Amino acid sequence: QVQLVESGGGLVRPGESLRLSCTASGLSFSDSYMSWIRQAPGKGLEWISYISSSSRTIYYAESVRGRFTISRDNAKNSLYLEMTSLRAEDTATYFCATLANDSFDHWGQGGLVTVSS
Amino acid sequence: QSVLTQSPSVSAAPGQKVTISCSGRGSNIGDNSISWYQQLPGSAPKLLIYDNNKRPSGIPDRFSGSKSGTSATLGISGLQTGDEAVYYCGAWDTGLNVHWVFGGGTKVTVL
Repeated sequence: QVQLVESGGGLVRPGESLRLSCTASGLSFSDSYMSWIRQAPGKGLEWISYISSSSRTIYYAESVRGRFTISRDNAKNSLYLEMTSLRAEDTATYFCATLANDSFDHWGQGGLVTVSS
Repeated sequence: QSVLTQSPSVSAAPGQKVTISCSGRGSNIGDNSISWYQQLPGSAPKLLIYDNNKRPSGIPDRFSGSKSGTSATLGISGLQTGDEAVYYCGAWDTGLNVHWVFGGGTKVTVL
């Protein structure tokens, strides 16, 4: 079955950087469209970025544009999120998800990022 | 404040039916298909409905979806205690800047 596993989360100080990874199995990753979605503690879902299967098309939410970079390595079945200039409001659980039929059909378990001094 | 508007909570007794509404605008719900997600406490969200009214394999037909204009509705019939969760709607917004939008979530409580 499809499995998405996030890694790389942790505690960082404001202004620092962090790189999240999402490793996929059980699917044809190179044909999959991917997104990152986050959820602040006790809050709702916030979509933050999308990347097409070939990396040709990328979208970002306004809240992270210019600070976060999404990328993928199809040879490694991996999706990445490079996060820079982190702020307290970036504290959240970050989910990677596959996008099919204009919906997020598979989700990882999430990785927690805490930004605090 | 979420782009898609959902009522914060709804409750009903086991066996009853609840409906959850999701309101948007032309650039999101009006022009694109909507999907619905169930998030049980402490878990990742799970896809319930895609393309407005289609259920993925394994989702019982107690869950239904519909869309009209710039609004959508999720129905849950034969409510069970295991349905107690937060439900989110979502859709692409293909206005000036393409991005995905979620509703704020509706907490379903089984009385």
